[in-house]
Amino acid sequence: DADVTQTPRNRITKTGKRIMLECSQTKGHDRMYWYRQDPGLGLQLIYYSFDVKDINKGEISDGYSVSRQAQAKFSLSLESAIPNQTALYFCATSVGPGEQFFGPGTRLTVL
Amino acid sequence: GEDVEQSLFLSVREGDSSVINCTYTDSSSTYLYWYKQEPGAGLQLLTYIFSNMDMKQDQRLTVLLNKKDKHLSLRIADTQTGDSAIYFCAEVEGTALIFGKGTTLSVSS
Repeated sequence: DADVTQTPRNRITKTGKRIMLECSQTKGHDRMYWYRQDPGLGLQLIYYSFDVKDINKGEISDGYSVSRQAQAKFSLSLESAIPNQTALYFCATSVGPGEQFFGPGTRLTVL
Repeated sequence: GEDVEQSLFLSVREGDSSVINCTYTDSSSTYLYWYKQEPGAGLQLLTYIFSNMDMKQDQRLTVLLNKKDKHLSLRIADTQTGDSAIYFCAEVEGTALIFGKGTTLSVSS
């Protein structure tokens, strides 16, 4: 079984809809991250969490919110989706900042 | 701030060596990383180098570090079609891992 899972793997939605992307991990790591990947732009950090009570904004947090429900679960919400949020979203976990373990990604399309 | 810089594309023939270059920003970075992203998958850590090393070799992979120029390279010997992927260099900045934009390696047979 995969150590880091993401649901859904693909989602198509309409402008203005609320969307939640979920991430679960079995690695027992405290640190969890949400990234966005756009072609040619690499990975941009949206939010990160060092434990259940420690949530931090990344470089592109506007339009997104997160919830750390447990050590193993970290969800990303788009309160009112817009087309320029169409991207590939990755969750990752780690012990320290360097070696991160990534989920398979969620491909989100906002029409 | 400054970016971690990589060229975007590299095309090689099967059996040749591939060299992917990266310029990083923080001369005090303790570790520098190479991640690989295969099509349709998330990133996986490929290798890393500690900043007090000039070179690290791991089977077909050789990492070279030039701290003076803040230059990192990844050499893949005997490149195979299965090496086709996007390769990201990354450095730790504070509590975050900063990625370059990725180099797409295309291997033709």
